[in-house]
Amino acid sequence: EPEVTQTPSHQVTQMGQEVILRCVPISNHLYFYWYRQILGQKVEFLVSFYNNEISEKSEIFDDQFSVERPDGSNFTLKIRSTKLEDSAMYFCASSRQGDTDTQYFGPGTRLTVL
Amino acid sequence: AQSVSQHNHHVILSEAASLELGCNYSYGGTVNLFWYVQYPGQHLQLLLKYFSGDPLVKGIKGFEAEFIKSKFSFNLRKPSVQWSDTAEYFCAGVFYNQGGKLIFGQGTELSVKP
Repeated sequence: EPEVTQTPSHQVTQMGQEVILRCVPISNHLYFYWYRQILGQKVEFLVSFYNNEISEKSEIFDDQFSVERPDGSNFTLKIRSTKLEDSAMYFCASSRQGDTDTQYFGPGTRLTVL
Repeated sequence: AQSVSQHNHHVILSEAASLELGCNYSYGGTVNLFWYVQYPGQHLQLLLKYFSGDPLVKGIKGFEAEFIKSKFSFNLRKPSVQWSDTAEYFCAGVFYNQGGKLIFGQGTELSVKP
């Protein structure tokens, strides 16, 4: 069964550094998402992406965040200058045309900002 | 604002006990509802979903959920739990015209004692 994959599984960085989190969505999916979960809190929507454009973003997704689909398989989340409060588990998800609401999640990247 | 809430933070059951996890949403319009499960160390996995039609939906691993529109609820049930059902369970919804944004409940941690 095809799965969403994410790398790395754990990233440790210093405050102010840039990080790029990588995701490989399911191959025939066209809609891509990033969510995050701060320890002890709800899973929160960050951004959705379709046809090389952001479809929707939350108030969390400010100018420090960006997403990109650099090639036919990868989908990345970049945090330009990390803050302590960016420490969280980041989940990538994808969904297919015709059933966009049913999202399939990757295993997550745990980001720790020191 | 649309929201999803799960009132049980941690549920502890013995094997063979019946399970019901509560989920409520706060929106009177069209909503697609989901239950996801996250086993220890694994990714979020779709258990079942409700879009329309029969309000009693069956999912994988013997789980089912009932959509009750008048109560704004979508409770998850299983008649007899197993130790392997130990996991965190998330209720989530996509509300009408929200661009595929999943809104999650807080999650319920289920511990099943052998």
